[in-house]
Amino acid sequence: GENVEQHPSTLSVQEGDSAVIKCTYSDSASNYFPWYKQELGKRPQLIIDIRSNVGEKKDQRIAVTLNKTAKHFSLHITETQPEDSAVYFCAASKNNDMRFGAGTRLTVKP
Amino acid sequence: GAGVSQSPRYKVAKRGQDVALRCDPISGHVSLFWYQQALGQGPEFLTYFQNEAQLDKSGLPSDRFFAERPEGSVSTLKIQRTQQEDSAVYLCASSLGGYTEAFFGQGTRLTVV
Repeated sequence: GENVEQHPSTLSVQEGDSAVIKCTYSDSASNYFPWYKQELGKRPQLIIDIRSNVGEKKDQRIAVTLNKTAKHFSLHITETQPEDSAVYFCAASKNNDMRFGAGTRLTVKP
Repeated sequence: GAGVSQSPRYKVAKRGQDVALRCDPISGHVSLFWYQQALGQGPEFLTYFQNEAQLDKSGLPSDRFFAERPEGSVSTLKIQRTQQEDSAVYLCASSLGGYTEAFFGQGTRLTVV
């Protein structure tokens, strides 16, 4: 099955700085790549997603890039704020079968 | 309901006890997923349904784990003869399928003592 690896496992940035989280996947047939944010004690919630026919997508301070050849995709958060502190999960999906990375704990220091 | 609903929210089981965890997906959602999330870890895939068909159960850790979705709506994850290593949050998610968002339930926190 699909194997998703995510780095780094923890990330600490100063408020206002950018944060980048990277994921790689193993199955070249995966065609949908969502990112989820999970706050402590809460359920994961979608923050942005990208389909395999697109190389980049942006939504305000959040952007995702996809390199299908290299089988990796990244989440970029600019102008980070304390409320961005959470655990972020990438996922890769093929035929509706969705697999997640191990997560990145992002801490934004005020 | 408005979202994915899981019950119970918390379950404490004695080692060796059988448990059943319920997931009510969003009405009309074709795809349903079960994940196991250990403390501080990402959701680990357990199994996936498309309507009533269980298309992938490769993530179930042992034959003590069994999932069903008999009418293509509500799903139940059953764990027989629970062990301490089964302690985790069990998340259910549903989606319309295709390139669509998966919505998660609040999870069931299972503690085996």
